[in-house]
Amino acid sequence: EAGVVQSPRYKIIEKKQPVAFWCNPISGHNTLYWYRQNLGQGPELLIRYENEEAVDDSQLPKDRFSAERLKGVDSTLKIQPAELGDSAVYLCASSSRGDQETQYFGPGTRLLVL
Amino acid sequence: KQEVTQIPAALSVPEGENLVLNCSFTDSAIYNLQWFRQDPGKGLTSLLLIQSSQREQTSGRLNASLDKSSGRSTLYIAASQPGDSATYLCAVWSSNYKLTFGKGTLLTVNP
Repeated sequence: EAGVVQSPRYKIIEKKQPVAFWCNPISGHNTLYWYRQNLGQGPELLIRYENEEAVDDSQLPKDRFSAERLKGVDSTLKIQPAELGDSAVYLCASSSRGDQETQYFGPGTRLLVL
Repeated sequence: KQEVTQIPAALSVPEGENLVLNCSFTDSAIYNLQWFRQDPGKGLTSLLLIQSSQREQTSGRLNASLDKSSGRSTLYIAASQPGDSATYLCAVWSSNYKLTFGKGTLLTVNP
């Protein structure tokens, strides 16, 4: 069974440019999470989806970040415009309704903003 | 606001040594605690999950303990191997299925 898939794996952009990250969760997992992990830090939750509904987006910087999960499967996280401080690893995770405590993480997208 | 602290930030040991990683959290009202492993360039892998009503969990050479009242957890690794080299992250589940992570301990096991 395929794990959580993320693309791209690496992205280098100049500040003020837009960038988008894509996540495909494990088949059948209704809960999807986006985390940001700064260098030397633990992951921090940005947004959590239950199916297509964003149930916790309190930590998402809404002035420049947006996310969507159309049809409750794949998800896209967008930053527009990117700032230098957005350089980080963006992790996607998913879990099933019957086992919310077990999150399966993707490999992440490493973003560098120049 | 829940805060999770991990000590030490980095640890280097010779192969075969037993070791302990420490984790502390400020709010004892947790549902459970998890230990994760993160290899460079990869996502997180869950190692052990301890429910708030439990005191320890074991998996192979790994043993995790939880003292909820004092806000502490330890991860014990027996007979360490070079393949154990990774960053180990402690995370606590609070309300609304929110995971709060520590900064991690970077473990290096030297052959």
